[in-house]
Amino acid sequence: QQQVKQSPQSLIVQKGGISIINCAYENTAFDYFPWYQQFPGKGPALLIAIRPDVSEKKEGRFTISFNKSAKQFSLHIMDSQPGDSATYFCAAFRGGNTPLVFGKGTRLSVIA
Amino acid sequence: DTGVSQDPRHKITKRGQNVTFRCDPISEHNRLYWYRQTLGQGPEFLTYFQNEAQLEKSRLLSDRFSAERPKGSFSTLEIQRTEQGDSAMYLCASSFTGVGEKLFFGSGTQLSVL
Repeated sequence: QQQVKQSPQSLIVQKGGISIINCAYENTAFDYFPWYQQFPGKGPALLIAIRPDVSEKKEGRFTISFNKSAKQFSLHIMDSQPGDSATYFCAAFRGGNTPLVFGKGTRLSVIA
Repeated sequence: DTGVSQDPRHKITKRGQNVTFRCDPISEHNRLYWYRQTLGQGPEFLTYFQNEAQLEKSRLLSDRFSAERPKGSFSTLEIQRTEQGDSAMYLCASSFTGVGEKLFFGSGTQLSVL
């Protein structure tokens, strides 16, 4: 059973455009929602994260929007660049000894 | 480099052989995780240590898999009698208690079982 559902599977965006990746969850016990970025041959790296007490968090060109009532959150990449081409994973965590659970990933290609 | 280190980076083995992977976490991190990632999928949790104690194991972790973390430092993941379905990237991550949700991943060990 997929605890975090991510869409789309792949995304192609023009350079300078906005990339939007969506995730949905069911378990209301989750209280931390990070996004990880993974380049080929590398492990995932933490990009940005949010807790449910805020609806938006922005770091540079990356923004997380969080909708607690809909149990959805999304990653927005503004002014997308070819260097942003990577696979992005949303994840969720509910504290204690439970592990971080990941979505299936979105492969982003930013074309010039 | 003070990041998470994994060895080897690549391993090719024949079905039925045993393999062992090593992970060296960030030195001040007391939590260590093993995840498995197959092509087109997100990382799937396998097991987790806090110091030397193995606190959680996924149902994905069959009896052929065993992990250790002696002295709470590096960890090893052994797969006995490998099967073709074990082919995957095995990722290690570490974190520090109190910020346990902030995982730092290594570059993984890519296992191919022929």
